[in-house]
Amino acid sequence: DAMVIQNPRYQVTQFGKPVTLSCSQTLNHNVMYWYQQKSSQAPKLLFHYYDKDFNNEADTPDNFQSRRPNTSFCFLDIRSPGLGDAAMYLCATSSGSKILGEQFFGPGTRLTVL
Amino acid sequence: AQKVTQAQTEISVVEKEDVTLDCVYETRDTTYYLFWYKQPPSGELVFLIRRNSFDEQNEISGRYSWNFQKSTSSFNFTITASQVVDSAVYFCALSASNNAGNMLTFGGGTRLMVKP
Repeated sequence: DAMVIQNPRYQVTQFGKPVTLSCSQTLNHNVMYWYQQKSSQAPKLLFHYYDKDFNNEADTPDNFQSRRPNTSFCFLDIRSPGLGDAAMYLCATSSGSKILGEQFFGPGTRLTVL
Repeated sequence: AQKVTQAQTEISVVEKEDVTLDCVYETRDTTYYLFWYKQPPSGELVFLIRRNSFDEQNEISGRYSWNFQKSTSSFNFTITASQVVDSAVYFCALSASNNAGNMLTFGGGTRLMVKP
């Protein structure tokens, strides 16, 4: 089945130690998104790629970076995680079509910062 | 600016009861899309339905039904004969047609607890 895959599902890191979360998709969608979701809150968009074009949300901290080496893969790098960065990180994809529109989400990576 | 409001933060029902989750939205765009997503305890957001602004026809899918009313800017979701497996957080979301990349504006979510 075509899907959005996130690895690892659970990640533990130490305060200030860089961490990378990965996302891959078999849907061949040209748009990929990264969201941060804290407990009891809605997902918050960090950034997205439309093909190779990177789009950062205005309030996304500089501590968060992203890479998309090809259509299938997208990475979220947190350069110096703080305790406040502990959250669920969701990757999503969409076709970019204005007609279709829905985003397909991966299972998420739950990040713990010690 | 777009906004989605889910006034009910938490709902608790007993199995087999019907339950309606409310969603009210604001947008200046004439063409837009509305969505419902389900987030079970496992964390994955599961797409349930998409509705465009020109299609006000209500939809039924098994025990799920959706009532879209442009006049009141609402897109409510009803679960008939609820089951324990329906327990999850449900998000309503809005996307305007002029969004490159189909940006979603989420509501705050409604946590539904179905007790046996």
